[in-house]
Amino acid sequence: KAGVTQTPRYLIKTRGQQVTLSCSPISGHRSVSWYQQTPGQGLQFLFEYFSETQRNKGNFPGRFSGRQFSNSRSEMNVSTLELGDSALYLCASSLLSTARREKLFFGSGTQLSVL
Amino acid sequence: QQPVQSPQAVILREGEDAVINCSSSKALYSVHWYRQKHGEAPIFLMILLKGGEQKGHDKISASFNEKKQQSSLYLTASQLSYSGTYFCGTEEDSGGSNYKLTFGKGTLLTVNP
Repeated sequence: KAGVTQTPRYLIKTRGQQVTLSCSPISGHRSVSWYQQTPGQGLQFLFEYFSETQRNKGNFPGRFSGRQFSNSRSEMNVSTLELGDSALYLCASSLLSTARREKLFFGSGTQLSVL
Repeated sequence: QQPVQSPQAVILREGEDAVINCSSSKALYSVHWYRQKHGEAPIFLMILLKGGEQKGHDKISASFNEKKQQSSLYLTASQLSYSGTYFCGTEEDSGGSNYKLTFGKGTLLTVNP
């Protein structure tokens, strides 16, 4: 069974641009959540999608948005990039929900650098 | 609210034991533990549910003290492969239906020969 796939692996953008990151969950998994990882800050929750609906959202500005398609694949978009958006963006999938008894399967992430 | 992990970093020699703590100011429903090696995806270790569960995974075990809203991860007879950053993730016992896992800042564990 294929794992969680994130593309692209690396991305370099300049301030003011926008970026779209993609995540393909494990087959059969319906929940996809996104996390931002920066040195010293751990994993910051961005949002979670389940059956194409955003179920939960973290404390990030509206420049961060996402969506989920009918095949459970998810995209995350960041508009008007800022230097502080440089981070590793991790996607995780689970069968039903983000927490409770469900374990998360993480992708290897997209390393975004904003210059 | 982000759980607090301690220590921030620990260095061990092979065969030594370590304890990583995770605490929250909120009532918790569950605590999750993950390990991430440099440049790799975080890997699931275990989940503990409220009720004071204690779980084990080879020589890695964990406990959850519901009264104190604290969890501890125990690594015994550490191996080189244990090196990595350990994250605890907590889910608040809010009674709602939207579940969110909030992770701590991580504990960097280094095991030397």
